[in-house]
Amino acid sequence: GQNIDQPTEMTATEGAIVQINCTYQTSGFNGLFWYQQHAGEAPTFLSYNVLDGLEEKGRFSSFLSRSKGYSYLLLKELQMKDSASYLCAVRDRSNYQLIWGAGTKLIIKP
Amino acid sequence: GAVVSQHPSRVICKSGTSVKIECRSLDFQATTMFWYRQFPKQSLMLMATSNEGSKATYEQGVEKDKFLINHASLTLSTLTVTSAHPEDSSFYICSATRGESVYTFGSGTRLTVV
Repeated sequence: GQNIDQPTEMTATEGAIVQINCTYQTSGFNGLFWYQQHAGEAPTFLSYNVLDGLEEKGRFSSFLSRSKGYSYLLLKELQMKDSASYLCAVRDRSNYQLIWGAGTKLIIKP
Repeated sequence: GAVVSQHPSRVICKSGTSVKIECRSLDFQATTMFWYRQFPKQSLMLMATSNEGSKATYEQGVEKDKFLINHASLTLSTLTVTSAHPEDSSFYICSATRGESVYTFGSGTRLTVV
């Protein structure tokens, strides 16, 4: 079956670093995406990993290990505006569908 | 680039009426569009996948006669909620891709059926 797991909620302090983990078990794999979603808004693209390793983009980095079925999103220098849900999604090899995790709600405290 | 326009952003309709939601890719040709619905504090639930010029593929449990999807061109897909009922109230979001590693979302439509 298809399964993507990520923590339901995390809390962090402004200015700190937080790592959001995502593990997946899917029948096919053709890339892993991270999206940010603020309440009441559509998701916005953060990162895409298809090969093992770390992709860095400003304050955000994403890591992938295909052999372990594991990814994480690393957010540095947290800002209050980073309070949002973070969605992990795996792309199916055959039909371009994205299989979504339930999302991690990140709460940033001053 | 890769902008998707979705409208209306909010709609309130009476029970039993139909509502059409449009999703347009403004600066690229979307070979595939996805329609999702999202309940409060829950993740995205894929309703259907539509490819230009062919019938949409619906996910299990989604009534194709209730949620009509038309993907008439490479830049436009529509979702019509027919005979809407209060339980259809939700946040509906479209996403478009041209087959690469870019999936762009529309801004979403908040549907309230009264």
